[in-house]
Amino acid sequence: DQQVKQNSPSLSVQEGRISILNCDYTNSMFDYFLWYKKYPAEGPTFLISISSIKDKNEDGRFTVFLNKSAKHLSLHIVPSQPGDSAVYFCAASDLEGTASKLTFGTGTRLQVTL
Amino acid sequence: DVKVTQSSRYLVKRTGEKVFLECVQDMDHENMFWYRQDPGLGLRLIYFSYDVKMKEKGDIPEGYSVSREKKERFSLILESASTNQTSMYLCASSSVNRGASGANVLTFGAGSRLTVL
Repeated sequence: DQQVKQNSPSLSVQEGRISILNCDYTNSMFDYFLWYKKYPAEGPTFLISISSIKDKNEDGRFTVFLNKSAKHLSLHIVPSQPGDSAVYFCAASDLEGTASKLTFGTGTRLQVTL
Repeated sequence: DVKVTQSSRYLVKRTGEKVFLECVQDMDHENMFWYRQDPGLGLRLIYFSYDVKMKEKGDIPEGYSVSREKKERFSLILESASTNQTSMYLCASSSVNRGASGANVLTFGAGSRLTVL
């Protein structure tokens, strides 16, 4: 039962253009959503987050949009750069239990071409 | 620079061997986690711990156990390694204090790639 889904395994975008990565979720109890970036042979690094009570959060070239009614979020990267080529994971956080844990999606591999 | 350090980057073990994966964090974080990453499956939570000597099962705990004797150290144990445990193992930690963003941000180690033959 995949609570966080990334339906596009890969995406190719030209340098300078916009990259849009999508994520869907099923659990309405998630309170925060996060995006992580992962290079090969490295651990994931945190990029940006959004609270479930907001619909947009921006940090430099990265913007995350949240549509709660559709249970959908997206990460926009503008402009895309070759160094953005990596696997991007969407993650969701819930408050239940003794330690807030993250549930991850399956990842989208972004390739930014010259 | 804050760190989560996984002692072994690459390991090759034989079926049936006992395997220890060690993780140490220097951020005084209360929470620690073990995930595994597999192609097409993303990151899946194996076990986590919110305090010393405390542990909770994640989504795929079968075949694994954990130990947290000290706050900074969280070990993952494969009692009898099997080929389907060949994977990238990622340790992470987080603070109960969520900081300015309010989000529960996990800091990850570089990963331990385990191959079981």
